[in-house]
Amino acid sequence: EAQVTQNPRYLITVTGKKLTVTCSQNMNHEYMSWYRQDPGLGLRQIYYSMNVEVTDKGDVPEGYKVSRKEKRNFPLILESPSPNQTSLYFCASSLLGTGVPYEQYFGPGTRLTVT
Amino acid sequence: AQKITQTQPGMFVQEKEAVTLDCTYDTSDPSYGLFWYKQPSSGEMIFLIYQGSYDQQNATEGRYSLNFQKARKSANLVISASQLGDSAMYFCAMSWTGSARQLTFGSGTQLTVLP
Repeated sequence: EAQVTQNPRYLITVTGKKLTVTCSQNMNHEYMSWYRQDPGLGLRQIYYSMNVEVTDKGDVPEGYKVSRKEKRNFPLILESPSPNQTSLYFCASSLLGTGVPYEQYFGPGTRLTVT
Repeated sequence: AQKITQTQPGMFVQEKEAVTLDCTYDTSDPSYGLFWYKQPSSGEMIFLIYQGSYDQQNATEGRYSLNFQKARKSANLVISASQLGDSAMYFCAMSWTGSARQLTFGSGTQLTVLP
């Protein structure tokens, strides 16, 4: 089954304790991205990757890191989480071609609470 | 800058009736794509329908259709014959060729279908 998986689905942590949210896709997509969703703000892009070893900042990258060492995986790293990073996080992937954009497939989401 | 506007924070519709969810967008890029996603209370993001900026006809997917009015920069979602399971948050989103496939989301419309 074609899918994007994220782990963990739920996480409660404390300020300053490093954490990683994993994301994996099995569709051989070149493009992967992380979004955060906050009430009233819709989804905002954190980081994206066009291919292995190619990453770039989205709209709200502060406090986050990513890496793309393999095509299927795109982990999101919070080196020193703070309460304002409490949010619902989505990983997404899509094909990458010329012309109009392709549909992005979303993972199930990770609900993070930082106390 | 690209922007998506959804002016209806909440909508109610009677079961079996049709409902239109509004979406306007702003971009100067001639090549772009418009997407609608559904987010039920369980949290996942479900792709519904896509319209490319060069598509001559309005997109349709089962009970979903997209009323694309390019000159007015609107991309309204029409759901025909509403069902109780359609109750969810609906997001309009846009991507454009200059965006590295970033999706810009509106703030969403919470649709409630009444029995």
